[in-house]
Amino acid sequence: SQKIEQNSEALNIQEGKTATLTCNYTNYSPAYLQWYRQDPGRGPVFLLLIRENEKEKRKERLKVTFDTTLKQSLFHITASQPADSATYLCALEKRGSQGNLIFGKGTKLSVKP
Amino acid sequence: DVKVTQSSRYLVKRTGEKVFLECVQDMDHENMFWYRQDPGLGLRLIYFSYDVKMKEKGDIPEGYSVSREKKERFSLILESASTNQTSMYLCASSGGMGGLEQYFGPGTRLTVT
Repeated sequence: SQKIEQNSEALNIQEGKTATLTCNYTNYSPAYLQWYRQDPGRGPVFLLLIRENEKEKRKERLKVTFDTTLKQSLFHITASQPADSATYLCALEKRGSQGNLIFGKGTKLSVKP
Repeated sequence: DVKVTQSSRYLVKRTGEKVFLECVQDMDHENMFWYRQDPGLGLRLIYFSYDVKMKEKGDIPEGYSVSREKKERFSLILESASTNQTSMYLCASSGGMGGLEQYFGPGTRLTVT
């Protein structure tokens, strides 16, 4: 069955550094992958979508890569700020569905001033 | 901006009660979803709907039912609440202009005592 894993439950970095979060998947080749941000007690918020034919996508300080050979996506936040502290979820399309997603369990990022 | 609203932020119910959770979206999205989120288990799909009066089971439908009488409204029903249904419930919608990203409501924290 499809599996999606976010390697780290938690990541602590210093303000100004680049945060890199990893998402790995198995038993599937999704047509796209998405990243969401979730703050405590809130619903996830969509950040970026990257398709299988795109190697990289950027949005302001965010960058996502998608390596279909390694079955991995990397999510980077450059010049990180304490306001970037949140849980980041990776999601990929569920095989055979019309847009259903399978979510990873998330990585909790803490950016220290 | 897409807005997804949920009827309650916090709810406390007794075992055996019938519980209604309501979700409304204002962007004319075709697809609507109900998830629950528990520590260590991540987001799990309960039910989804691709159209009015249409519903499909997700990964954990037992103990739940849904209703979609109007396009903008998707209700989750706990027929007889149990303590193991204590959780954060999140509604989401997608599909406008072929969009694949999901827009989440703020969540309902349900406690069953």
